[in-house]
Parts: sequence; C-alpha cells; structure tokens
Amino acid sequence: ETGVTQTPRHLVMGMTNKKSLKCEQHLGHNAMYWYKQSAKKPLELMFVYNFKEQTENNSVPSRFSPECPNSSHLFLHLHTLQPEDSALYLCASSQGQTAFFGSGTQLSVL
Amino acid sequence: EDQVTQSPEALRLQEGESSSLNCSYTVSGLRGLFWYRQDPGKGPEFLFTLYSAGEEKEKERLKATLTKKESFLHITAPKPEDSATYLCAVDSGGSNYKLTFGKGTLLTVNP
Repeated sequence: ETGVTQTPRHLVMGMTNKKSLKCEQHLGHNAMYWYKQSAKKPLELMFVYNFKEQTENNSVPSRFSPECPNSSHLFLHLHTLQPEDSALYLCASSQGQTAFFGSGTQLSVL
Repeated sequence: EDQVTQSPEALRLQEGESSSLNCSYTVSGLRGLFWYRQDPGKGPEFLFTLYSAGEEKEKERLKATLTKKESFLHITAPKPEDSATYLCAVDSGGSNYKLTFGKGTLLTVNP
C-alpha cells in the first residue's frame, strides 16, 4: 500500500456528467499535486497546493476544478469533460522536492 | 522553457544483458534530476534524485549518473522484473517544486 491513495481507480463518464476524483496522503506532507498522463505524452502538471493554498494552475481548463480542504486531502471535480480529457490522473504529495505518487484514476470520457 | 528528452523510447533486453537509458535536459537552473519507475496501471515510483554533475546513486541493479547536460540510468544484469517504464524529470526551481517529465523509456527484459 502506498502513502498516497486515489479513488476511484477507474471512471467512465459521459460529457454531461459531474464526477469527483479523490486523493488522500498519509505521509504528513504539506504539498499536493494533480498530474495528467496521456498516452505518448509526458506527465503534465495541472495544479499545486501548499498548506491547502493553490500555488499553481498550469493553464488548466475550468471544467477541471480542484479542492484541497486540508493538507491530507485533494479532490478534482470534473464537469462537461471532452473525450480528449480521457487519461490517467495522478495525485502526488511531497515534503520538499521528491514527489510520491498514487496509483491514479484511469478516466474515460464517452 | 525546460525540456527533458529520453532515449530510446523503447528497449528490449535479454535477461543479464546490461544497458543504459539516457535523459537529456535543458533547464535554466537545475535544482534536481529525478528517476522514477512506472509499472502498467500504477503511479510512478521514486528511484533516485541527483543534484550535481558527477553525482552517482545506486539501488540494486540500477545506477544513475549525472552530467551538466544529461543523466544515464545504467541497468546491470537486468531481470524480467525490471521491466517497466522509466521516467526522468527535472526540477528547475521557482517558488514551487514543479517537475518537468520526459516521455519515458519502456524497458522489456525477456527471460
């Protein structure tokens, strides 16, 4: 079991649905991240939170809405997604430079 | 803009056949270079951090080295369980710890 847990592991949604991804870290870290991993592309940083405050939004479309209620939990709220948003969404946490990742949510948008 | 290029894209080895993976980078100021291993359907697993040219780190059959322009991940006498995608990333500084990743090298080790 890793120190970063993501749920659900798999998600299929229509373009008009609203869903949320959840991430919980048990490592006592103060920073949490959302990354997107698409086939044949490098991991792309989406959002960074430090001590619950958003410190980075990497030009992510507003149909992705992050929420960080405390340093241990991170959510990604999804609405009116497009098929090209289908990807593996990875959560990570860090205390300093080294990021530790969860297993990801494999998202399919139909 | 920071860039990370990994080569080859895919590498197939026989068990026991040593080789190296390459990570070339362009950054304004390197604050750390990271190697991760990723198995199918899982998130990246941290392997090493290198900070300055000349630095080397080892873990079992893996050894990572760093120069001013590139890093190598040497795999000595690999086993089938070393099969995975190996990712390289750089942290170029700034107020956040932001990693820029390469596309990865898919390593397959045949028994």
